[in-house]
Amino acid sequence: DTGVSQDPRHKITKRGQNVTFRCDPISEHNRLYWYRQTLGQGPEFLTYFQNEAQLEKSRLLSDRFSAERPKGSFSTLEIQRTEQGDSAMYLCASAQPTGGGDTQYFGPGTRLTVL
Amino acid sequence: AQKVTQAQTEISVVEKEDVTLDCVYETRDTTYYLFWYKQPPSGELVFLIRRNSFDEQNEISGRYSWNFQKSTSSFNFTITASQVVDSAVYFCALSEAMSGNNRLAFGKGNQVVVIP
Repeated sequence: DTGVSQDPRHKITKRGQNVTFRCDPISEHNRLYWYRQTLGQGPEFLTYFQNEAQLEKSRLLSDRFSAERPKGSFSTLEIQRTEQGDSAMYLCASAQPTGGGDTQYFGPGTRLTVL
Repeated sequence: AQKVTQAQTEISVVEKEDVTLDCVYETRDTTYYLFWYKQPPSGELVFLIRRNSFDEQNEISGRYSWNFQKSTSSFNFTITASQVVDSAVYFCALSEAMSGNNRLAFGKGNQVVVIP
């Protein structure tokens, strides 16, 4: 399978615990995005990497959230001290630069439930 | 600021009927890109189409067609002769060239239910 993969697909945790999600982009794509999607809404941008550099973070990304992309390959998104409001689908997408409006290809998402 | 509006939240159609999904966008950028994605019950967003602001030609791909009108800031999507497999949430999204990061701003989506 050469698409974007995410692990785990589902995560149930108790409030206050830390969780980490992983995203493996399409191998030749050097741009990687994280989005969050809550029920009944469209995905919202969280952060963006070009290779290993994190170039932008949304104000939605509080200081409890951190993302990394070591060596410009896979990426991890960590949420510390989870809250019930963090319950959502976390989506990862990757893209190859095309001079603008890159087409982003999405993974299956990680559904987080915070009890 | 970029904004995408999909006013119809849920649309039910009987199989073989046509269904049109409306998308209205706002941007101050002169160069931008519009997208449609499909999200079936499995949850994965599937890319359907990308269109840049300089290309107003309508497009047809099988049973899918898109109508881009800059004058009304709309990028509408029509499914012809709908099938049960078309049941999904469809998202319209906008990317502005000036943002520099190609982030997508999504609408709230249209839930399409095709009744057999």
